[in-house]
Amino acid sequence: GAGVSQTPSNKVTEKGKYVELRCDPISGHTALYWYRQSLGQGPEFLIYFQGTGAADDSGLPNDRFFAVRPEGSVSTLKIQRTERGDSAVYLCASSYFAGSNEQFFGPGTRLTVL
Amino acid sequence: DQQVKQNSPSLSVQEGRISILNCDYTNSMFDYFLWYKKYPAEGPTFLISISSIKDKNEDGRFTVFLNKSAKHLSLHIVPSQPGDSAVYFCAASERSNFGNEKLTFGTGTRLTIIP
Repeated sequence: GAGVSQTPSNKVTEKGKYVELRCDPISGHTALYWYRQSLGQGPEFLIYFQGTGAADDSGLPNDRFFAVRPEGSVSTLKIQRTERGDSAVYLCASSYFAGSNEQFFGPGTRLTVL
Repeated sequence: DQQVKQNSPSLSVQEGRISILNCDYTNSMFDYFLWYKKYPAEGPTFLISISSIKDKNEDGRFTVFLNKSAKHLSLHIVPSQPGDSAVYFCAASERSNFGNEKLTFGTGTRLTIIP
């Protein structure tokens, strides 16, 4: 079946602008995760959704970052007043249930803030 | 504070030989360990995992070894094939207070298989 999809694949924006990144998880997966991967680093956890609710947002770096999953499927990561340091690949992953160790990753969105 | 460390940024191995990728961790609360493989412009793909109650798990050409006392794990690939060339991430999992398995990743090792 279809894997995790993310749009856009690339996003270039100017400092101070607002961006939205979309994730479409594998059908039937209730757990959804957002990660950020900076150059030369491994993915770093941002936020976890179980169903529609953000159950763990402890990885969000500050209040400019926000994510929603209104119907328990598609999720949108929103970044306000973007800064150059936000430039990274944003990865989305889903798993069948929260306690599952195996997470399936999408291809990521490469965000560049000029 | 890097809780999962991969000290070798890159590794080159001759085709047919054994590739050994290493990973160290500091958090004794990690209860599950995973290896992910990543090709350029793709997301990480799950490769193999091991529970903290085991010391070895094998799947075809891939074997993961866990040494809990040393807080060290390794991934062995034998025989290495050109298609194994990729970045390999070690990840460690712990159950968070919110019920999810929270993954902490290392910085990755770029493996190049030389034909």
